[in-house]
Amino acid sequence: EIVLTQSPGTLSLSPGERATLSCRASQSVTSSYLAWYQRKPGQAPRLLIYDASSRATGIPDRFSGSGSGTDFTLTISRLEPEDFAVYYCQHYGGSPLTFGGGTKVEIK
Amino acid sequence: EVQLVESGGGLVQPGGSLRLSCAASGFTLTSYDMNWVRQAPGKGLEWVSYISSSGRTIYYADSVKGRFTISRDNAKNSLYLQMNSLRAEDTAVYSCARSGGGYYSYMDVWGNGTTVTVSS
Repeated sequence: EIVLTQSPGTLSLSPGERATLSCRASQSVTSSYLAWYQRKPGQAPRLLIYDASSRATGIPDRFSGSGSGTDFTLTISRLEPEDFAVYYCQHYGGSPLTFGGGTKVEIK
Repeated sequence: EVQLVESGGGLVQPGGSLRLSCAASGFTLTSYDMNWVRQAPGKGLEWVSYISSSGRTIYYADSVKGRFTISRDNAKNSLYLQMNSLRAEDTAVYSCARSGGGYYSYMDVWGNGTTVTVSS
């Protein structure tokens, strides 16, 4: 089983700042099969990025994903008020599908 | 609007059973592989089960294998999760999620979830 470790646990930033979130896998993720999701309280998770760097439909270009192998990054270039949420990574390159523990992006 | 809505959660005693449902709107469930994912209080997301569009391919997480059964009724555009022999550690918000294609895939549409509490 691939274990995904997200860091930091909490990121305290101001609107307009850049956010850099890390997702590290315990073993190499096949074909960069890694996704990122955003979740706000009481709402369904929202797919942001798939295949490590492809933006999902309707996702603003301030969200970008990068990485390969065991190290992946989600970058939000300039935080908007609606971006403060919890972010999860997920791999789908093997079984079982697993998620990281999440990074909370909070308003400083 | 593409939407998934779960129902059927509630309070159940350890050893009890519940059946969760997931209804789709804005798209035809028949055409898609589907998953159940849960989130325990204060914890991260955990994949629970997968079913192919035809219903012929099914996978479970080890934590629920032998106790949970995923199924679908394409005529009713619905997905189900039968949960038996429930344990305290099954307490979570259960969400259904549409697969982007196959088991080895991201999940592109999610429901808000339904809460299952296992407690005496």
